[in-house]
Amino acid sequence: AQKITQTQPGMFVQEKEAVTLDCTYDTSDQSYGLFWYKQPSSGEMIFLIYQGSYDEQNATEGRYSLNFQKARKSANLVISASQLGDSAMYFCAMRGLNYGGSQGNLIFGKGTKLSVKP
Amino acid sequence: GAGVSQSPSNKVTEKGKDVELRCDPISGHTALYWYRQSLGQGLEFLIYFQGNSAPDKSGLPSDRFSAERTGGSVSTLTIQRTQQEDSAVYLCASSFSGSQNLYGYTFGSGTRLTVV
Repeated sequence: AQKITQTQPGMFVQEKEAVTLDCTYDTSDQSYGLFWYKQPSSGEMIFLIYQGSYDEQNATEGRYSLNFQKARKSANLVISASQLGDSAMYFCAMRGLNYGGSQGNLIFGKGTKLSVKP
Repeated sequence: GAGVSQSPSNKVTEKGKDVELRCDPISGHTALYWYRQSLGQGLEFLIYFQGNSAPDKSGLPSDRFSAERTGGSVSTLTIQRTQQEDSAVYLCASSFSGSQNLYGYTFGSGTRLTVV
């Protein structure tokens, strides 16, 4: 079974500073993908960044980077130069890549609420 | 369409009534998912449709919940005899499938269901 653990219910960061949101996962799949989503107060789920289990380099997308440590089964999200608009819930998720169906569903963590202080 | 469209955006219903929630996925996306998000919680998988295959209903919490997907496009999630614990945001997502799906899903804005 797959499981995502986000141990930080809430985080505060000063505007313009960097912040790391933790995510650990558990899976028996050999090939899988890791995702981060942002959910602002409006409720929509916004895809941020993706990391494949066989990718040798950490994924980066603008101010977002994913610190992928496969041996430790961690996939932390790093947001650089925080902005007030970054205040939102952040969800880590994963899915197996070899097949569709229920085993290929995105499994989500419980999320981290990030608050950026001016 | 340009994105995943869900309707209604908000629904208030009386306990015991049936409700229907609609999802119109992105054109060309063969996979469609329903999730439920209770207040302050993560996303709970409900049901998954893939092309013409039988849906995976393993996440449905009770037999009061059902879903259809007509013509491989629009999906309707039906909750019969609603209970207060059904109050949540119901999110629909669609994606390409198989090797094409490397970047997760595109979510709709959700339907906020309140059972009073």
